[in-house]
Amino acid sequence: GAGVSQSPSNKVTEKGKDVELRCDPISGHTALYWYRQSLGQGLEFLIYFQGNSAPDKSGLPSDRFSAERTGGSVSTLTIQRTQQEDSAVYLCASSLRSTSGQNTGELFFGEGSRLTVL
Amino acid sequence: QQQVKQSPQSLIVQKGGISIINCAYENTAFDYFPWYQQFPGKGPALLIAIRPDVSEKKEGRFTISFNKSAKQFSLHIMDSQPGDSATYFCAASKGGFQKLVFGTGTRLLVSP
Repeated sequence: GAGVSQSPSNKVTEKGKDVELRCDPISGHTALYWYRQSLGQGLEFLIYFQGNSAPDKSGLPSDRFSAERTGGSVSTLTIQRTQQEDSAVYLCASSLRSTSGQNTGELFFGEGSRLTVL
Repeated sequence: QQQVKQSPQSLIVQKGGISIINCAYENTAFDYFPWYQQFPGKGPALLIAIRPDVSEKKEGRFTISFNKSAKQFSLHIMDSQPGDSATYFCAASKGGFQKLVFGTGTRLLVSP
């Protein structure tokens, strides 16, 4: 498809297990973002990638959270030793960087991965 | 640390009415102010955006009003329709690096 693809769409796991969430951005989009949306809350920034590097990972809530991006495309968000408070929808977005070096502003979001930690 | 405050949390408007959602920001370095619309089970999608060099931007039934001195901006939806029922998020960012800071969202219900 032409949009941002995320998998799995739903994940139920037990407390203490590790989970991996995958994001496949729009082809050609060099910027990639992970956000977290908890029930009734806004979107909480987690990490931003430009290419394969992450110039801003300030939103990762703890060292149990990590993310990588390979080939300037697919990104994986890993949560180790999951806790119940990690339950949320994890949204990935990508954007196009203009030739001037500035991002063009519009983020294209995927439909998210809903994580439930029992 | 809530850098963008959004109100109201929820809003019910009759079909044909005007929906108004307000946001206030703290960081004067912000220079890009978008609104995103989210339907249940979907990711947010850009609705309309404004930069601080203008005080108003209109696209169809959707208008952003921007008050730089008050550090406030608002979304107006004219002739609201049931299909507009969704959650709306304001956001802000600074510079060319689009790390968007989002408000907490407004759930809009337009009654038929």
